[in-house]
Amino acid sequence: DGGITQSPKYLFRKEGQNVTLSCEQNLNHDAMYWYRQDPGQGLRLIYYSQIVNDFQKGDIAEGYSVSREKKESFPLTVTSAQKNPTAFYLCASNFGGGNTEAFFGQGTRLTVV
Amino acid sequence: GESVGLHLPTLSVQEGDNSIINCAYSNSASDYFIWYKQESGKGPQFIIDIRSNMDKRQGQRVTVLLNKTVKHLSLQIAATQPGDSAVYFCAENQDGEGGYQKVTFGTGTKLQVIP
Repeated sequence: DGGITQSPKYLFRKEGQNVTLSCEQNLNHDAMYWYRQDPGQGLRLIYYSQIVNDFQKGDIAEGYSVSREKKESFPLTVTSAQKNPTAFYLCASNFGGGNTEAFFGQGTRLTVV
Repeated sequence: GESVGLHLPTLSVQEGDNSIINCAYSNSASDYFIWYKQESGKGPQFIIDIRSNMDKRQGQRVTVLLNKTVKHLSLQIAATQPGDSAVYFCAENQDGEGGYQKVTFGTGTKLQVIP
């Protein structure tokens, strides 16, 4: 079945540590996105990528980094520079070029302990 | 645009009634809009979309209306059911850096269906 997969579903991290969230899609989508969602709030764009080896900062990129070495994969690293990393992280993908719906993964809930 | 720190507005509707969820978008150049439904602890799911050259589109039990003059989008759900309880987001395709497009979400509305 085609889809977009995020792992792990739950992640715990100690303060000061970097952590990487995985996002893989087999939908042959060109564009991939990372969003952050805080409790009771909407989605905020962290980074997005339209093609391999290229990506752009979203609205809240500080403290995060990404890579796009393969079309299918768009991992997000939450660095120790992110002051308030506890949140629900959502990855999405679409065909890009505008005018296409984005498909979402089931999310990763990151908790800093 | 989205306001950080504000909690989601809630719409309470009696089962069987119609629901109307509203959204104001920010970019008059946006040409594609989508409504998503998000259940607790899950990723958003596509409901219906509309292009800027249309002002109305209907799906199964849902209708989206677009008013470009006032940059307003609405989602109407007919005969609301308990399974419709969720958070609803509108999204727009905007031009981002380097000429690429990005998908930007509104704040969202929590729909609570009363049995």
